[in-house]
Amino acid sequence: EIVMTQSPATLSVSPGERATLSCRASQTVSTNLAWYQQKPGQAPSLLIYGASTRATGIPGRFTGSGSGTDFNLTISSLQPEDFAVYYCQQYNDWPPLTFGGGTKVEI
Amino acid sequence: QLQLRESGPGLVKPSETLSLTCSVSGDSLTRSNFYWHWIRQPPGKGLEWIGGIYYTGHTHYNPSLKSRLTISLETSKNQFSLNLASVTAADTAVYYCARPVGVIPGTLVTAFDSWGQGAMVTVSS
Repeated sequence: EIVMTQSPATLSVSPGERATLSCRASQTVSTNLAWYQQKPGQAPSLLIYGASTRATGIPGRFTGSGSGTDFNLTISSLQPEDFAVYYCQQYNDWPPLTFGGGTKVEI
Repeated sequence: QLQLRESGPGLVKPSETLSLTCSVSGDSLTRSNFYWHWIRQPPGKGLEWIGGIYYTGHTHYNPSLKSRLTISLETSKNQFSLNLASVTAADTAVYYCARPVGVIPGTLVTAFDSWGQGAMVTVSS
């Protein structure tokens, strides 16, 4: 099983600032990595797949990068609606599909 | 427009079987190139993939749940179901059904762009 580790667990930032979230895989996942945003009481929403491809309707301030075992999600200028929990997920080698533990982006 | 909706009991007793159904509208379960999946999230915790089923009925299960898990299709109703046996409090979670992006030329993308609203299931006597 590929273990996904996200850091930091919590990221405190101000609106307008840049945020960088990290995700590390226990073995290579190539670029078969996705990022999700989850707000309280809602299902997760896909932001990025293929490590760097934005999903439909996702604004350009969200950028995914990385390959192999190390990945980043960068939010260039945080908007009030971006405060949420973010998860990474690998789909390179499954079953099982595996998710990281999440990073909470808070004010 | 694709919609997924989970349904089933919100309360299950320990040692009993948790059963949920995902009703799909706006797409057909028998369309090729998709597994249809279940994912869960315990309160205040992260996401755990449970398993998926292909239109042929072929399944993939999380090894951690495999011994207790059955996922099945009811194509005539465009539904798929989850049965998890011998539940404990650790199975208390929001259960989601989800569909992946699918095939982008050259690549199978098993990242989830369509989710149900989630069904909260509590295991308690």
